[in-house]
Amino acid sequence: GAGVSQTPSNKVTEKGKYVELRCDPISGHTALYWYRQSLGQGPEFLIYFQGTGAADDSGLPNDRFFAVRPEGSVSTLKIQRTERGDSAVYLCASSPGQGSYNEQFFGPGTRLTVL
Amino acid sequence: AQSVAQPEDQVNVAEGNPLTVKCTYSVSGNPYLFWYVQYPNRGLQFLLKYITGDNLVKGSYGFEAEFNKSQTSFHLKKPSALVSDSALYFCAVRPRNSGNTPLVFGKGTRLSVIA
Repeated sequence: GAGVSQTPSNKVTEKGKYVELRCDPISGHTALYWYRQSLGQGPEFLIYFQGTGAADDSGLPNDRFFAVRPEGSVSTLKIQRTERGDSAVYLCASSPGQGSYNEQFFGPGTRLTVL
Repeated sequence: AQSVAQPEDQVNVAEGNPLTVKCTYSVSGNPYLFWYVQYPNRGLQFLLKYITGDNLVKGSYGFEAEFNKSQTSFHLKKPSALVSDSALYFCAVRPRNSGNTPLVFGKGTRLSVIA
């Protein structure tokens, strides 16, 4: 079956611009996560959704970052006034149900480069 | 606070030899533990997880991991390494009964299997 998909795969933008990154989770998965992975580091949590609502957004670095999941499926991560330090790979993951034993299924990521 | 330590940035092993990638964790209570693998330009792929029961967990591609509660470790192992196992490996943790909270990842260990 189809896995988690993310678009675009690569995004190059200029400092100060606005970007949107899209995540399409596995059908039926209620939980959706955004992580950011910098070079040489493990994924760092940004925000996660249970259904349509953001259950925990404590990982968002500042108010330039925002994410939505209006229909409980596709999610969009939005970054305003991008900075060079935002350059990273943004990973999306989804998982079924409520059990904390469930593994997460990751998409291929969006590589964001801010010039 | 939860944390995961992967003490080795890089592990080199000859093809056919056994391999070990180390992971220790710090979490309140008993954890769920996960291993993921990341190939170049690909998302993270789930390898295996420890939930309960037998401390030796078997996963994909011949990998296994041993949960050691007293040493708070969850080392990844494989009896005979393949060149195709060369990749980046991440250990992750989540407390039990925490619902769908995000995973906390280690920094990753790059495994290089030499023919």
